[in-house]
Amino acid sequence: IVLTQSPGTVSLSPGDSATLSCRASQSVRSGYLAWYQQKPGQAPRLLIFGASSRATGIPDRFSGSGSGTDFTLTISRLEPEDFAVYYCQQYGSSYQNSFGRGTKLEIK
Amino acid sequence: QVQLQESGPGLVRPSETLSLTCSIIGDSFIAYYWTWVRQPDGKGLEWIGRLYHTGNTNYNPSLKGRVTMSLDTSKNHFSLTLNSVTAADTAVYYCARGVVVPAAKWNYMDVWGKGTTVTVSS
Repeated sequence: IVLTQSPGTVSLSPGDSATLSCRASQSVRSGYLAWYQQKPGQAPRLLIFGASSRATGIPDRFSGSGSGTDFTLTISRLEPEDFAVYYCQQYGSSYQNSFGRGTKLEIK
Repeated sequence: QVQLQESGPGLVRPSETLSLTCSIIGDSFIAYYWTWVRQPDGKGLEWIGRLYHTGNTNYNPSLKGRVTMSLDTSKNHFSLTLNSVTAADTAVYYCARGVVVPAAKWNYMDVWGKGTTVTVSS
């Protein structure tokens, strides 16, 4: 399954809301999709699993939604520390799991 | 709280073997998938493979049989070996803990090491 993330880069200001898209080339079974945040020089951090479940310690301004082939990560009330690269990953394929290429969220 | 720590040489010569170890601190092997992911500079994440506590493994087919993973329960660590490396294998290598998801063939990763940079160069 190929995951296409859009936009490639998005420029927003603190306090704005961000909507990041992850589109799959085939349906992702049972919503087995995760989102990760990665800041420069750091490892990825799990934000969302199962399309909409927040990982431990993740603020509620992060929310995930979607099913089938279309998934969204929404970040409301952007904080300065939210500016990073975001990756989606599907783990429901019967063949292979895969990552998207990422969306960079930068400060406007 | 569980921590993962990668270790290994930062420089490997072309055609030789890359060997990395991930130490698991504060957890046991049981009931997780122990995973390696890499990231070339400025690029995205690539899943390399995973190892279950039973010793079962799955590898990325794109690595064409060059990869092996193993675990050492006495030392609470697991290892990655990648043979016949080229410059294309230059990347930051992360180890991660994979959560078992009932009815899913694969898994997501909830704990990550900080990563170790491996450069392939003569």
